[in-house]
Amino acid sequence: KNQVEQSPQSLIILEGKNCTLQCNYTVSPFSNLRWYKQDTGRGPVSLTIMTFSENTKSNGRYTATLDADTKQSSLHITASQLSDSASYICVVSGYSGGGADGLTFGKGTHLIIQP
Amino acid sequence: DTEVTQTPKHLVMGMTNKKSLKCEQHMGHRAMYWYKQKAKKPPELMFVYSYEKLSINESVPSRFSPECPNSSLLNLHLHALQPEDSALYLCASSQEELLYEQYFGPGTRLTVT
Repeated sequence: KNQVEQSPQSLIILEGKNCTLQCNYTVSPFSNLRWYKQDTGRGPVSLTIMTFSENTKSNGRYTATLDADTKQSSLHITASQLSDSASYICVVSGYSGGGADGLTFGKGTHLIIQP
Repeated sequence: DTEVTQTPKHLVMGMTNKKSLKCEQHMGHRAMYWYKQKAKKPPELMFVYSYEKLSINESVPSRFSPECPNSSLLNLHLHALQPEDSALYLCASSQEELLYEQYFGPGTRLTVT
């Protein structure tokens, strides 16, 4: 069964500090992996999307890494800001002819940035 | 324009009401989605439309009825809902179905009384 596991479930850090969120998946065959940021009560916003051949991708202070061999991804946030407080969701897409297994969502990491 | 819009932002309805949620995108995307999200949970896929045809229905109760009038619009018709249907309903679109990056709307916060 396709699964996406995220850790930690929640994280509290001080403003200005760095942090790393983890995503492990068992989706196969693999197409791409996405990281979304979701503010409370709002729709998710895409941060990065990575395919099999991409190891690292950056979007401002957000840097995602992907190891397709170990089926692991991380999202590193540099110099955190109060506006980074949100849920970060890892989503993995697999080739399945467009069936329900095409997208598997992680449960998210709830990040709180404290002043 | 990389925006997906949803209306209304908030909706309160009784269990005997009929209402509709609306979603619109002008990115030329051919796939559109409805998700349901409960608090502190990830979004759950409800329906997928591809080229204006329903391609995935994730065993959603018939009190939810999707409609895709054209390639830019997606509606979700609601009838005889239950209090447990209260949630954030998200619309998303992508270039093609499922394998492509999805763009989400801001959601409609639905409360069923």
